[in-house]
Amino acid sequence: QSALTQPASVSGSPGQSITISCTGTKSDVGGYTLVSWFQQHPGKAPKLVIYEVTKRPSGVSNRFSGSKSGNTASLTISGLQAEDEAAYYCCSYTGRDVVFGGGTKVTVL
Amino acid sequence: QVQLVESGGGVVQPGRSLRLSCAASGFTFSSYVMHWVRQAPGGGLEWVAVISPDETNKYYADSVKGRFTISRDNSKNTLYLQMNSLRAEDTAVYYCVRDRSSWYYIFDYWGQGALVTVSS
Repeated sequence: QSALTQPASVSGSPGQSITISCTGTKSDVGGYTLVSWFQQHPGKAPKLVIYEVTKRPSGVSNRFSGSKSGNTASLTISGLQAEDEAAYYCCSYTGRDVVFGGGTKVTVL
Repeated sequence: QVQLVESGGGVVQPGRSLRLSCAASGFTFSSYVMHWVRQAPGGGLEWVAVISPDETNKYYADSVKGRFTISRDNSKNTLYLQMNSLRAEDTAVYYCVRDRSSWYYIFDYWGQGALVTVSS
């Protein structure tokens, strides 16, 4: 299956809110409430920040929120902070395995 | 706390083999579905393989099917990835990943990764 589509980059100023989109098909994003989002700082392992579209793991800031509409999922980071500068990846269950997005580089201006 | 520590990475020639290990601690390893996920240099994430807690079910990405084998030793709390017939395109950081959901591919803990470089 093809990778999910994410914007290559998104930027925002400290304190602002940004939203990253993740577009798939009815066979993945649109077909299941099993979309996850990962944050990855350079040289580090990915970290789960959202799972099952809207759920936050214990210890993840409530500034991170997720949503989905049709075949597109979204990650919103509110009150943007310098430490949020990282790459973000979405992924979706496909019924057989999982497919990832190409990643979005978030820059804090 | 949950810890996953990979080892066994390195430089290997095309066509040769390599085995990765992942030592797990801080949770009941034998109760969890486990995965390998890789990331090419400067690239995105790619799921590689999954194994059930009792090792009876294993599935692979098409890109590695027939060349890679996932296994586990629950008595040693260790996950393995045997990689044969390696190709240049297998060059990547390989992550050992825990699944919190049992077969719904929700990756909640990741190891620090092991770099595999396939080059002559």
